[in-house]
Formats: sequence, C-alpha cells, structure tokens
Amino acid sequence: QEQLVESGGDLVKPGGSLRLSCTASGFTFSDYFISWIRQAPGKGLEFVSYISGGGNTIYYADSVEGRFTISRDNAKNSASLQMNSLRAEDTAVYYCARGPFSVDGLGSWGQGTLVTVSS
Amino acid sequence: QSVLTQPPSVSGAPGQRVTISCTGSSSNIGAHFDVHWYQQFPGAAPKLLIYANTNRPSGVPDRFSASKSGTSASLAITGLQAEDEAVYYCQSYDSSLSNSGVFGGGTKLTVL
Repeated sequence: QEQLVESGGDLVKPGGSLRLSCTASGFTFSDYFISWIRQAPGKGLEFVSYISGGGNTIYYADSVEGRFTISRDNAKNSASLQMNSLRAEDTAVYYCARGPFSVDGLGSWGQGTLVTVSS
Repeated sequence: QSVLTQPPSVSGAPGQRVTISCTGSSSNIGAHFDVHWYQQFPGAAPKLLIYANTNRPSGVPDRFSASKSGTSASLAITGLQAEDEAVYYCQSYDSSLSNSGVFGGGTKLTVL
C-alpha cells in the first residue's frame, strides 16, 4: 500500500532554514508528481510547491518563491523541500502528497510534519 | 481568499442529506479541469474522498457522491453519520495560475 512519510519539521527562528524530507513507498515514485502542501494552525490547505516525476517541471506558490527549493531523488524514492529565510507566516503542518496531476488528484498523503517559526 | 469558494460550515442531523458547494470560475472548474474532494479529521492528514469529479476510491462509502456543472462542483453526503463530521476540501486547477492546483477554503460538517 502507498505510504509517504515526512520528516524534518522543527522550531526555527525567523530568518532561519529547515529542510523537510518525504520518503515514499508502495508506488512507482518516478512516475508521479510530488507536492508539498501546508496547513497553518486552524486554517485551510495551501499548495506550496510541486515537482514532476523527472524533476523538470516545478511550481512554487508566490508566498515561497525565491525562498523554498523543491527537489527529488528518484533512486531513493524521496523528495525534499529546502526552506530558507523562514517567516512566522510559514508556521504550519507540511504534508507531502502524490500528485496533483494524477487522475486521482492527491491520491496519497503523508502524516505531516510541523514547522514552527518563532523567536 | 481561496480561488475556490466553499461555505465555511454546514450541518445536518443523522440520516439526513447534506451538500457542500465548491464555486469556481471560467479559469478553473469552468475550464473543464477535474475537481477532487478531500476529507480531513482533526489532527489527521487529508484523505482523498472523490476524484475526477465523480469517482470514489475503493473503501469510500457510496453515501458520498459528487457532481460538477459549469463553474461549480458539489459534494453530497446521504444517510449522514456521526463519523462524517470532518472538514471537506475541494481541489481543482487554474489556468490563470499556470494550471497549478488550487483548493477551496474548506467546509466544516457538523452532525447534529
């Protein structure tokens, strides 16, 4: 069965950096886009970034463009989100998910990892 | 402001039918992009509920159904049960945002 596991969330000071990782299993990783979606406390879902199976198509939300970098290593079935110049408004649970350009949208999700940006 | 508009909350008694709307525009739902629906319980990750407008993944009860027409989509839940209490999100894509994925703001379903 499909599984995605995020790691790397932590408490970080404003201006700091953090690297999130997502390790997948149960599907052919290189065939799928991988997305990072975040949810601020008490708020809705927001696409942060996604990357195509081959890594040649990448999207960033305006709110993170220039500060976050998405990457993937298909040999390790993993994807990463490097987050620099973090701000208080980046505080959220970050989910990785398979998709969104599959027939089944975001068909599988990880459990999420909490990023807190605070001094 | 979310690109897709959902009511913040809906409610219904056990056994009743409720619907949740998802209103978009000509650059997303109206542009024939698929709509997907997700269910999220408190403290848990969202889970795919309906994909490609009307399709249920295996394991999703047939009490859940969805439709799409014009620039809107709708999720219907019949025979409401206490365990349906959750937040529901619609998701589509938007041509004015380079075909990127977009979410609705979410609807909290309360079972009375």
